[in-house]
Amino acid sequence: AQSVTQLDSQVPVFEEAPVELRCNYSSSVSVYLFWYVQYPNQGLQLLLKYLSGSTLVESINGFEAEFNKSQTSFHLRKPSVHISDTAEYFCAVSDHPGGTSYGKLTFGQGTILTVHP
Amino acid sequence: NAGVTQTPKFQVLKTGQSMTLQCAQDMNHEYMSWYRQDPGMGLRLIHYSVGAGITDQGEVPNGYNVSRSTTEDFPLRLLSAAPSQTSVYFCASSYSAGTGGNGELFFGEGSRLTVL
Repeated sequence: AQSVTQLDSQVPVFEEAPVELRCNYSSSVSVYLFWYVQYPNQGLQLLLKYLSGSTLVESINGFEAEFNKSQTSFHLRKPSVHISDTAEYFCAVSDHPGGTSYGKLTFGQGTILTVHP
Repeated sequence: NAGVTQTPKFQVLKTGQSMTLQCAQDMNHEYMSWYRQDPGMGLRLIHYSVGAGITDQGEVPNGYNVSRSTTEDFPLRLLSAAPSQTSVYFCASSYSAGTGGNGELFFGEGSRLTVL
């Protein structure tokens, strides 16, 4: 069975400071990895994903995440955060096509990022 | 393009009442699923469908029923609501691997349910 652990439930940070949201996963098979963001009172939106190839993936709004197979991690980083980045962030894992869990995401517990002025 | 549409957005029930959360998608996705979101627990899979007529249980299926009569619709039924079912419910859909899917889920806006 797969599992995802987000190591911080809340991360407060000041505007323009760097931030890292940590995610570790456990799986016996090859996986796809995702970060979703949820703004207050909204649904989940895909932030970025790792499928294959380069281990560093980027989003359009300055976030990046690096897949580290040996450490089974997929940490999310941003060098300079904005007030508008305040949201809850979820790390998720899925099997590759053909795997029993393909198309079914296993989520971490979520990390609430609060950016203070 | 509407994407994934959930109704109602808010609902208050009394213990023992039944209700159906509706979910429809217009992207011709084969896969559809229901998750519940509770504070500090992330999202947990309730039920899952890989196509019309095919459903399967997820991590927390007790107290919920589903059916998939069409590709577009995937309703979630609570037969006898309990306070433990107070939660935010999300419907999601995705392509299958055979149609180019990469596991990415597309989510609805959520349905907030309170059971008194």
